[in-house]
Amino acid sequence: QSALTQPASVSGSPGQSISISCTGTRSDIGDYNYVSWYQQHPGKAPKLMIYKVTNRPSGVSNRFSGSKSGNTASLTISGLQAEDEADYYCSSYTSSTLLVFGGGTKLTVL
Amino acid sequence: QVQLQESGPGLVKPSETLSLTCTVSGGSVSSGSYYWSWIRQPPGTGLQFIGYVYYSGGTNYKPSLTSRVTISVDTSKNQFSLKLSSVTAADTAVYFCARVGFNDYGFDPWGQGTLVTVSS
Repeated sequence: QSALTQPASVSGSPGQSISISCTGTRSDIGDYNYVSWYQQHPGKAPKLMIYKVTNRPSGVSNRFSGSKSGNTASLTISGLQAEDEADYYCSSYTSSTLLVFGGGTKLTVL
Repeated sequence: QVQLQESGPGLVKPSETLSLTCTVSGGSVSSGSYYWSWIRQPPGTGLQFIGYVYYSGGTNYKPSLTSRVTISVDTSKNQFSLKLSSVTAADTAVYFCARVGFNDYGFDPWGQGTLVTVSS
């Protein structure tokens, strides 16, 4: 299965809001509400930030939110902070009962 | 809380078999609520799903790796393992193990990752 499509980079200033898109197909994002988002700081393991499109695990700031429309999911970070600078990855369940990741987006806080 | 830890050789020769183990603490691989998975990240690139195993031994692998990969579970040791045969330099990566929710397909938690280099 092909990787989900994410922008290579996004940027924003402290306090602003940014969104990262994740585009798939009807065979993954379009047909299933199993989209997750991960934050990865350099040299660290990824951390789950959003699961099942809109749900936040315990301990994750409510500045992080997720949504989905058709074959595209989005992660929105509001009130951008310096520590939000990281790589972000989406993932989705697919019709072949597998899981697929996006290519990753580098978030720069200006 | 559940913690995962990868272990295994950091250097593997081309054409040989890469073998890694993930030890689970604070929880049980026998839980029917989770899959146990492997993910890798080649240097400077993104995450690649490799496959997962269920406590019963059932597996699912990324199609392009199916001929070379085996993921197994050892409930007596509370571990699961990855074997990748006939490795090449393209298999050089940080390998992560992670738990996958049966009902949400989120990877959480993750192990810290271990770098495996394929080189003679």
